[in-house]
Amino acid sequence: QVTLRESGPALVKPTQTLTLTCTFSGFSLSTSGMCVSWIRQPPGKALEWLALIDWDDDKYYSTSLKTRLTISKDTSKNQVVLTMTNMDPVDTATYYCARIRFMLGAMDVWGQGTTVTVSS
Amino acid sequence: EIVLTQSPGTLSLSPGERATLSCRASQSVSSSYLAWYQQKPGQAPRLLIYGASSRATGIPDRFSGSGSGTDFTLTISRLEPEDFAVYYCQQYGSSPPVDFGQGTRLEIK
Repeated sequence: QVTLRESGPALVKPTQTLTLTCTFSGFSLSTSGMCVSWIRQPPGKALEWLALIDWDDDKYYSTSLKTRLTISKDTSKNQVVLTMTNMDPVDTATYYCARIRFMLGAMDVWGQGTTVTVSS
Repeated sequence: EIVLTQSPGTLSLSPGERATLSCRASQSVSSSYLAWYQQKPGQAPRLLIYGASSRATGIPDRFSGSGSGTDFTLTISRLEPEDFAVYYCQQYGSSPPVDFGQGTRLEIK
């Protein structure tokens, strides 16, 4: 069974750096074709894709946020970490991680999401 | 960057009716990499359709996807009460590799 779980702080202050961890099981990110992506959703708004890391350690970022984002993986721990610098109240959202299988081109398993509020 | 535009923004229908949701891309999308998701309040999105027309595991056959190039459609043949939710399309493969549409809210009339 494939599962993903997001973890990180529920509250961060403006200008701080957010670090989120996605811990997964049931697959290996060293297997060809496997990817993990981060997506966020502000309250009442649409999904916004943030970043993706693939089995070959290639990394891709949202055009609008790429200067603030870093994605990395620890294959031995089955974890993917996303950092976002210079947090602002507009970054308040639920943050999801999801598995992408390259052959599907789709996010077939999602974590339950973690809510992050940016406030002083 | 590919922009996905979904229409309508809100669709009001009754159970038993047919729903047709549209996703239009600003550039051609590989049909292999167009997906649809369903999201209910307080829940993570759920994959419905991948490859434009393939149903994900466990998805009822009243859900179907079609289209190619820049125009894609999600059809729900006969609405059940549990189908009222928000639906998103998503493309994979361009650079940056992932984009979502802004969503269509399917509400009970």
